[in-house]
Amino acid sequence: AQSVTQPDIHITVSEGASLELRCNYSYGATPYLFWYVQSPGQGLQLLLKYFSGDTLVQGIKGFEAEFKRSQSSFNLRKPSVHWSDAAEYFCAVGDNTDKLIFGTGTRLQVFP
Amino acid sequence: DTAVSQTPKYLVTQMGNDKSIKCEQNLGHDTMYWYKQDSKKFLKIMFSYNNKELIINETVPNRFSPKSPDKAHLNLHINSLELGDSAVYFCASSQSQVGETQYFGPGTRLLVL
Repeated sequence: AQSVTQPDIHITVSEGASLELRCNYSYGATPYLFWYVQSPGQGLQLLLKYFSGDTLVQGIKGFEAEFKRSQSSFNLRKPSVHWSDAAEYFCAVGDNTDKLIFGTGTRLQVFP
Repeated sequence: DTAVSQTPKYLVTQMGNDKSIKCEQNLGHDTMYWYKQDSKKFLKIMFSYNNKELIINETVPNRFSPKSPDKAHLNLHINSLELGDSAVYFCASSQSQVGETQYFGPGTRLLVL
């Protein structure tokens, strides 16, 4: 069965610092991978997704993620974090039934 | 215009009551979903419907009954509410193609007392 692991429950960075949020997945076939962001009290917004092709995916708000099949990873990166990036970040894997399996999330805190 | 909307936004009720949450999408999608987010922020799919037909039912108790009057609406009715039902419930929609993006509603915060 597919699963997603986000090893970091909580990450704190200073504004302007670089960011990397880790995501590892378990899935037998080629996965469809997603990163969503959830601001406090809000729904989930898609940041980016990997479907096929180029393994480096660009998303909204300056985020990018790299699919590494050999490491079963899909880490999210941003070169310079803004205070407004403080939120909960979810990695998800999709299978061939449209079902999304989510990780447990990483809470990002940004200090000025 | 809101793409995926849910009502109500907040729902506080007593144990044993029956309640419904409504979801509507104006994206023209043919697949809709219900997810439950628990107090630890863990998100898990409950149901999905494609063109009013139930596709996914993730071993959710029978007290939960989704209803899809048309492909733009997917409502969730919960009978005999229990304390453990307290959570945030998210509706989502997508086109019914593998790998398509799911668009989420703002969530309904249910508190059972």
